Amino acid sequence: AQSVSQHNHHVILSEAASLELGCNYSYGGTVNLFWYVQYPGQHLQLLLKYFSGDPLVKGIKGFEAEFIKSKFSFNLRKPSVQWSDTAEYFCAVISSGAGSYQLTFGKGTKLSVIP
Amino acid sequence: DGGITQSPKYLFRKEGQNVTLSCEQNLNHDAMYWYRQDPGQGLRLIYYSQIVNDFQKGDIAEGYSVSREKKESFPLTVTSAQKNPTAFYLCASQWQGTGTDSNQPQHFGDGTRLSIL
Repeated sequence: AQSVSQHNHHVILSEAASLELGCNYSYGGTVNLFWYVQYPGQHLQLLLKYFSGDPLVKGIKGFEAEFIKSKFSFNLRKPSVQWSDTAEYFCAVISSGAGSYQLTFGKGTKLSVIP
Repeated sequence: DGGITQSPKYLFRKEGQNVTLSCEQNLNHDAMYWYRQDPGQGLRLIYYSQIVNDFQKGDIAEGYSVSREKKESFPLTVTSAQKNPTAFYLCASQWQGTGTDSNQPQHFGDGTRLSIL
């Protein structure tokens, strides 16, 4: 079965520190990849997505992610975090083919940014 | 085991027909959400409910209706007014904490794939 692993349960950073959140998936076929953010008390919001093309994807709020097919990874990065980036971050993978469809989320990484 | 159950996994709708997607959770979560996912797009919020007997429209509520008569259940009805219902529908729930516990992750169902006949 397809699975998505987010390596860190909770990350604590100071403002202006660089961020990298890991995401690995298990499916070997064609995938679509997403990063979502959930701010306290709010619903999911899409940060960025990868469907095809340039494996380096730029999203909103200065986030980017790189798809490395050989490593089955889609890590999220931001050069300099702000206190307002404190949130839960979810990696998600969609695999489809042969009439089947599966959307799988990672368990999330909680990011706390200290002013 | 605690979790969220969506049913059915696949659903087909005829033109002019209303269909209801089920979402049940036994996690004792106050908040529940319905999202829609279309090819080439991320999830979009349809409706959400933070407490029993109350719900709010999301970004794309037109053509949909919900109810929240019980904490455990948040069914979504796709009405005939929804002209493009073919999509993947995902239900989620979340515990609504306060203070340092306010940032709790959402838990997701397995989704329902709705198609038009």
